[in-house]
Amino acid sequence: GAGVSQSPSNKVTEKGKDVELRCDPISGHTALYWYRQSLGQGLEFLIYFQGNSAPDKSGLPSDRFSAERTGGSVSTLTIQRTQQEDSAVYLCASSLNRDRGYTFGSGTRLTVV
Amino acid sequence: GQQLNQSPQSMFIQEGEDVSMNCTSSSIFNTWLWYKQDPGEGPVLLIALYKAGELTSNGRLTAQFGITRKDSFLNISASIPSDVGIYFCAGQPRRNTGNQFYFGTGTSLTVIP
Repeated sequence: GAGVSQSPSNKVTEKGKDVELRCDPISGHTALYWYRQSLGQGLEFLIYFQGNSAPDKSGLPSDRFSAERTGGSVSTLTIQRTQQEDSAVYLCASSLNRDRGYTFGSGTRLTVV
Repeated sequence: GQQLNQSPQSMFIQEGEDVSMNCTSSSIFNTWLWYKQDPGEGPVLLIALYKAGELTSNGRLTAQFGITRKDSFLNISASIPSDVGIYFCAGQPRRNTGNQFYFGTGTSLTVIP
């Protein structure tokens, strides 16, 4: 597509439930990133996918967080047993090359109540 | 992770004034990026810098890659109301053991008409 598409744009969930966030990167972009932005904070790196290589999961805050990327395109970020501190905007970005700037989606605003 | 100190945290200026903000790091960076984020949207890349001393313009925006490789500056000339938003710096360290860009905590800009 023309840009990075994320869905849903907003998600309200009850504490303890699982959620899935979806990212459709720009067609042809081999690099895909997930970041988390808490209120008034900068962007916190979560996970990085590059082609068929093993993902860099070094930013995932706990084992409740996982992500996959199917067919080198669409990615899903899953948060299990959500907690209130998981409330944030989850941003996906894609890039042709990891050393260049990347294009962000509009994010998914997750609220855990 | 890497520490990026961005200042000022917020700015309130009159329309037509010039704006300056900066970002400093504790280590040497190979790449500096500047992004702008509008409410409810993902960050949008404004300027990318790849060489020490590089000065790059994008319309009324000018950014510089510091000679020491540990800082970067963004200037906005003759501000207009649509410049309102949060500006983020981002960078990749020279000895990048990861795959992500590190982000500053942002400068919130308010332009008073």
